[in-house]
Amino acid sequence: DAMVIQNPRYQVTQFGKPVTLSCSQTLNHNVMYWYQQKSSQAPKLLFHYYDKDFNNEADTPDNFQSRRPNTSFCFLDIRSPGLGDAAMYLCATSRVPGLLYNEQFFGPGTRLTVL
Amino acid sequence: ELKVEQNPLFLSMQEGKNYTIYCNYSTTSDRLYWYRQDPGKSLESLFVLLSNGAVKQEGRLMASLDTKARLSTLHITAAVHDLSATYFCAVDAAGGTSYGKLTFGQGTILTVHP
Repeated sequence: DAMVIQNPRYQVTQFGKPVTLSCSQTLNHNVMYWYQQKSSQAPKLLFHYYDKDFNNEADTPDNFQSRRPNTSFCFLDIRSPGLGDAAMYLCATSRVPGLLYNEQFFGPGTRLTVL
Repeated sequence: ELKVEQNPLFLSMQEGKNYTIYCNYSTTSDRLYWYRQDPGKSLESLFVLLSNGAVKQEGRLMASLDTKARLSTLHITAAVHDLSATYFCAVDAAGGTSYGKLTFGQGTILTVHP
């Protein structure tokens, strides 16, 4: 089945220790998104890629970076995690813009704990 | 800036009862999505509403969209415990050749009890 996969599902890191979260997709979608969702809050878009074109949200901290080496994979790098970065990180994909709609398909998420 | 507001934020329902969750948004859009999220899980797509007057139904849930009023509703009929979850509406206001960037409502935490 075509799907969005995130690894790991649970990640524990230490304060200030860099961490990388992974997302892969078999949907062959052009757009990949990273969201941060803190407890009892709505998902908040951090950035997205349209193919290789990177689009950062204005309020995304510099501490968060992303890479997309190919169509299938996208990575979220947190350079120096703080306690406030503990959250669920959701990856999503959608098809080419300009279609009638761009439904987003979400992966299972990675729960990040910062000690 | 697009704002999306849901109400109520918390909903405690008895099994068998009906209720409606409301989603208001602040700018023109004809693309609205409803998602369900179980505790500790990801988002599951429920409905995609693409035009004024759109109505979609799946089981005990029915969603509608009124683009003129900038309002979507999620109606729950004869609630059962399995419907307990958090429900989000999300609006794509960019239109045209957008990337489908979504703005989410705050979420409605639904609890169905006997």
